[in-house]
Amino acid sequence: GAVVSQHPSRVICKSGTSVKIECRSLDFQATTMFWYRQFPKQSLMLMATSNEGSKATYEQGVEKDKFLINHASLTLSTLTVTSAHPEDSSFYICSARGLTGGSYGYTFGSGTRLTVV
Amino acid sequence: GNSVTQMEGPVTLSEEAFLTINCTYTATGYPSLFWYVQYPGEGLQLLLKATKADDKGSNKGFEATYRKETTSFHLEKGSVQVSDSAVYFCALSDPGNTGKLIFGQGTTLQVKP
Repeated sequence: GAVVSQHPSRVICKSGTSVKIECRSLDFQATTMFWYRQFPKQSLMLMATSNEGSKATYEQGVEKDKFLINHASLTLSTLTVTSAHPEDSSFYICSARGLTGGSYGYTFGSGTRLTVV
Repeated sequence: GNSVTQMEGPVTLSEEAFLTINCTYTATGYPSLFWYVQYPGEGLQLLLKATKADDKGSNKGFEATYRKETTSFHLEKGSVQVSDSAVYFCALSDPGNTGKLIFGQGTTLQVKP
Protein backbone atom coordinates (compact mmCIF):
# COMPACT_ATOMS: atom_id res chain seq x y z
CA GLY A 1 0.00 0.00 0.00
CA ALA A 2 0.88 3.66 -0.16
CA VAL A 3 3.40 4.73 2.44
CA VAL A 4 4.49 8.18 3.54
CA SER A 5 7.61 8.50 5.63
CA GLN A 6 7.86 11.53 7.86
CA HIS A 7 10.89 12.35 9.96
CA PRO A 8 12.05 13.12 12.46
CA SER A 9 9.33 11.69 14.65
CA ARG A 10 10.43 13.82 17.57
CA VAL A 11 12.66 16.86 17.77
CA ILE A 12 13.62 19.20 20.56
CA CYS A 13 15.23 22.46 19.61
CA LYS A 14 16.28 25.67 21.26
CA SER A 15 14.28 28.83 20.83
CA GLY A 16 15.49 30.82 17.83
CA THR A 17 16.77 27.88 15.83
CA SER A 18 15.21 26.36 12.72
CA VAL A 19 13.90 22.84 12.28
CA LYS A 20 13.29 20.94 9.06
CA ILE A 21 10.71 18.18 8.78
CA GLU A 22 10.71 15.85 5.77
CA CYS A 23 7.81 14.04 4.22
CA ARG A 24 8.46 11.40 1.56
CA SER A 25 6.08 9.28 -0.45
CA LEU A 26 7.86 5.95 -0.76
CA ASP A 27 5.96 4.05 -3.41
CA PHE A 28 3.90 6.61 -5.30
CA GLN A 29 4.19 10.08 -6.71
CA ALA A 30 2.52 12.73 -4.61
CA THR A 31 1.01 15.38 -6.82
CA THR A 32 -0.03 17.35 -3.76
CA MET A 33 1.21 17.41 -0.20
CA PHE A 34 -0.54 18.94 2.78
CA TRP A 35 0.90 20.07 6.07
CA TYR A 36 -1.19 20.04 9.23
CA ARG A 37 -0.67 21.15 12.77
CA GLN A 38 -2.40 19.47 15.66
CA PHE A 39 -2.68 20.83 19.18
CA PRO A 40 -3.28 18.46 22.10
CA LYS A 41 -6.76 16.94 22.05
CA GLN A 42 -7.72 18.99 19.00
CA SER A 43 -8.34 18.40 15.35
CA LEU A 44 -5.93 18.90 12.50
CA MET A 45 -5.46 22.43 11.27
CA LEU A 46 -4.40 22.67 7.64
CA MET A 47 -1.40 24.96 7.33
CA ALA A 48 -0.60 24.79 3.64
CA THR A 49 -0.96 22.89 0.40
CA SER A 50 1.99 22.31 -1.87
CA ASN A 51 2.22 21.09 -5.43
CA GLU A 52 5.45 19.86 -6.90
CA GLY A 53 7.46 22.63 -8.47
CA SER A 54 5.24 25.50 -7.41
CA LYS A 55 4.87 27.72 -4.39
CA ALA A 56 2.84 26.49 -1.48
CA THR A 57 -0.61 27.88 -0.79
CA TYR A 58 -0.96 28.87 2.83
CA GLU A 59 -4.15 28.94 4.84
CA GLN A 60 -5.30 32.18 6.35
CA GLY A 61 -3.39 33.08 9.47
CA VAL A 62 -0.36 30.90 8.74
CA GLU A 63 2.89 32.84 8.43
CA LYS A 64 4.56 31.80 5.20
CA ASP A 65 7.90 33.29 6.23
CA LYS A 66 7.89 31.28 9.42
CA PHE A 67 6.73 27.97 8.00
CA LEU A 68 8.70 27.44 4.80
CA ILE A 69 7.45 24.68 2.56
CA ASN A 70 9.37 23.20 -0.31
CA HIS A 71 8.03 20.55 -2.67
CA ALA A 72 10.98 20.02 -4.96
CA SER A 73 10.03 16.61 -6.29
CA LEU A 74 7.02 14.35 -6.63
CA THR A 75 8.18 12.33 -3.64
CA LEU A 76 9.52 14.90 -1.20
CA SER A 77 8.15 17.90 0.63
CA THR A 78 9.81 19.70 3.53
CA LEU A 79 8.49 22.02 6.20
CA THR A 80 11.00 24.29 7.89
CA VAL A 81 9.99 26.06 11.06
CA THR A 82 12.23 29.10 11.15
CA SER A 83 13.28 30.90 14.31
CA ALA A 84 11.20 28.54 16.38
CA HIS A 85 9.60 29.69 19.62
CA PRO A 86 7.90 27.71 22.39
CA GLU A 87 4.46 28.52 20.96
CA ASP A 88 5.46 26.60 17.82
CA SER A 89 5.64 23.42 19.86
CA SER A 90 3.07 21.10 18.37
CA PHE A 91 2.46 17.90 16.44
CA TYR A 92 2.99 18.38 12.70
CA ILE A 93 1.57 15.89 10.22
CA CYS A 94 2.02 15.70 6.47
CA SER A 95 -0.30 14.08 4.00
CA ALA A 96 0.38 13.12 0.41
CA ARG A 97 -2.24 12.85 -2.28
CA GLY A 98 -1.43 10.73 -5.26
CA LEU A 99 -2.62 8.06 -7.61
CA THR A 100 -2.46 4.71 -5.82
CA GLY A 101 -4.27 1.57 -6.79
CA GLY A 102 -6.04 3.31 -9.62
CA SER A 103 -7.61 6.10 -7.60
CA TYR A 104 -6.52 9.19 -5.77
CA GLY A 105 -6.02 8.76 -2.09
CA TYR A 106 -4.55 10.51 0.90
CA THR A 107 -1.76 8.96 2.91
CA PHE A 108 -0.56 10.47 6.15
CA GLY A 109 2.86 10.50 7.68
CA SER A 110 3.31 9.38 11.26
CA GLY A 111 3.79 12.93 12.51
CA THR A 112 6.56 14.97 14.11
CA ARG A 113 6.41 16.10 17.72
CA LEU A 114 8.25 19.43 17.90
CA THR A 115 9.22 20.82 21.28
CA VAL A 116 10.87 24.22 21.43
CA VAL A 117 12.66 24.98 24.70
CA GLY B 1 -18.82 26.71 3.65
CA ASN B 2 -17.84 23.08 3.92
CA SER B 3 -17.61 21.62 7.40
CA VAL B 4 -17.77 18.44 9.44
CA THR B 5 -19.31 18.03 12.87
CA GLN B 6 -18.70 15.03 15.10
CA MET B 7 -20.20 14.05 18.40
CA GLU B 8 -18.19 15.20 21.35
CA GLY B 9 -16.19 12.71 23.31
CA PRO B 10 -14.82 11.01 25.08
CA VAL B 11 -16.91 7.96 24.40
CA THR B 12 -16.31 5.27 26.99
CA LEU B 13 -17.52 1.74 26.35
CA SER B 14 -17.01 -1.71 27.75
CA GLU B 15 -15.45 -4.35 25.55
CA GLU B 16 -17.91 -5.96 23.11
CA ALA B 17 -20.31 -3.00 23.30
CA PHE B 18 -21.87 -1.46 20.19
CA LEU B 19 -20.26 1.73 18.95
CA THR B 20 -21.76 4.67 17.12
CA ILE B 21 -19.90 7.90 16.49
CA ASN B 22 -22.06 10.47 14.77
CA CYS B 23 -20.78 12.61 11.94
CA THR B 24 -22.69 15.14 9.88
CA TYR B 25 -21.40 17.37 7.17
CA THR B 26 -22.17 20.51 5.20
CA ALA B 27 -20.88 20.68 1.68
CA THR B 28 -21.60 22.11 -1.72
CA GLY B 29 -21.32 19.55 -4.44
CA TYR B 30 -20.52 15.88 -3.91
CA PRO B 31 -17.60 15.26 -1.57
CA SER B 32 -16.05 11.95 -0.68
CA LEU B 33 -16.31 11.06 3.01
CA PHE B 34 -13.71 9.45 5.21
CA TRP B 35 -13.08 8.09 8.67
CA TYR B 36 -9.53 8.23 9.99
CA VAL B 37 -8.15 6.77 13.20
CA GLN B 38 -5.27 8.15 15.23
CA TYR B 39 -3.52 6.12 17.90
CA PRO B 40 -1.57 7.98 20.60
CA GLY B 41 1.53 9.70 19.28
CA GLU B 42 0.93 8.61 15.71
CA GLY B 43 -0.33 10.04 12.45
CA LEU B 44 -3.67 9.26 10.87
CA GLN B 45 -4.65 6.00 9.26
CA LEU B 46 -7.50 5.70 6.82
CA LEU B 47 -10.18 3.50 8.33
CA LEU B 48 -12.78 3.61 5.57
CA LYS B 49 -14.24 5.85 2.92
CA ALA B 50 -17.24 6.35 0.66
CA THR B 51 -17.22 8.30 -2.55
CA LYS B 52 -20.91 8.68 -3.39
CA ALA B 53 -24.36 8.63 -1.87
CA ASP B 54 -25.52 5.28 -0.43
CA ASP B 55 -22.01 3.84 -0.56
CA LYS B 56 -21.02 1.88 2.51
CA GLY B 57 -17.41 1.90 3.60
CA SER B 58 -16.22 -0.91 5.82
CA ASN B 59 -12.97 -2.10 7.36
CA LYS B 60 -11.94 -4.08 10.44
CA GLY B 61 -15.55 -4.43 11.57
CA PHE B 62 -16.26 -0.70 11.25
CA GLU B 63 -18.92 0.56 8.86
CA ALA B 64 -20.28 3.89 7.71
CA THR B 65 -22.88 4.71 5.06
CA TYR B 66 -22.90 7.90 3.02
CA ARG B 67 -26.38 9.36 3.60
CA LYS B 68 -26.98 12.33 1.35
CA GLU B 69 -30.53 12.90 2.57
CA THR B 70 -29.38 13.36 6.17
CA THR B 71 -25.86 14.59 5.28
CA SER B 72 -24.43 12.03 7.64
CA PHE B 73 -21.66 9.43 7.75
CA HIS B 74 -21.99 7.78 11.15
CA LEU B 75 -19.35 5.27 12.19
CA GLU B 76 -20.52 1.97 13.70
CA LYS B 77 -18.99 -1.20 15.03
CA GLY B 78 -20.91 -4.10 16.47
CA SER B 79 -18.42 -5.18 19.12
CA VAL B 80 -15.53 -2.97 20.17
CA GLN B 81 -12.23 -4.15 21.56
CA VAL B 82 -9.75 -2.49 23.89
CA SER B 83 -7.42 -2.12 20.91
CA ASP B 84 -10.00 0.15 19.23
CA SER B 85 -9.24 2.86 21.79
CA ALA B 86 -8.10 5.85 19.74
CA VAL B 87 -9.24 9.17 18.32
CA TYR B 88 -11.55 8.96 15.32
CA PHE B 89 -11.82 11.74 12.75
CA CYS B 90 -14.55 12.18 10.19
CA ALA B 91 -13.49 14.11 7.10
CA LEU B 92 -14.68 15.19 3.69
CA SER B 93 -12.78 16.03 0.57
CA ASP B 94 -13.23 19.59 -0.61
CA PRO B 95 -15.80 19.44 -3.43
CA GLY B 96 -13.97 22.33 -5.06
CA ASN B 97 -11.32 19.82 -6.04
CA THR B 98 -8.51 21.55 -4.22
CA GLY B 99 -7.61 18.18 -2.79
CA LYS B 100 -8.02 19.45 0.76
CA LEU B 101 -9.49 17.31 3.48
CA ILE B 102 -11.76 19.02 5.99
CA PHE B 103 -11.77 17.33 9.38
CA GLY B 104 -14.19 17.14 12.21
CA GLN B 105 -12.94 17.82 15.69
CA GLY B 106 -12.26 14.19 16.50
CA THR B 107 -13.90 11.83 18.97
CA THR B 108 -11.89 9.96 21.56
CA LEU B 109 -12.98 6.37 22.13
CA GLN B 110 -11.96 4.57 25.31
CA VAL B 111 -12.77 0.89 25.55
CA LYS B 112 -12.44 -0.73 28.95
CA PRO B 113 -11.93 -4.45 29.48
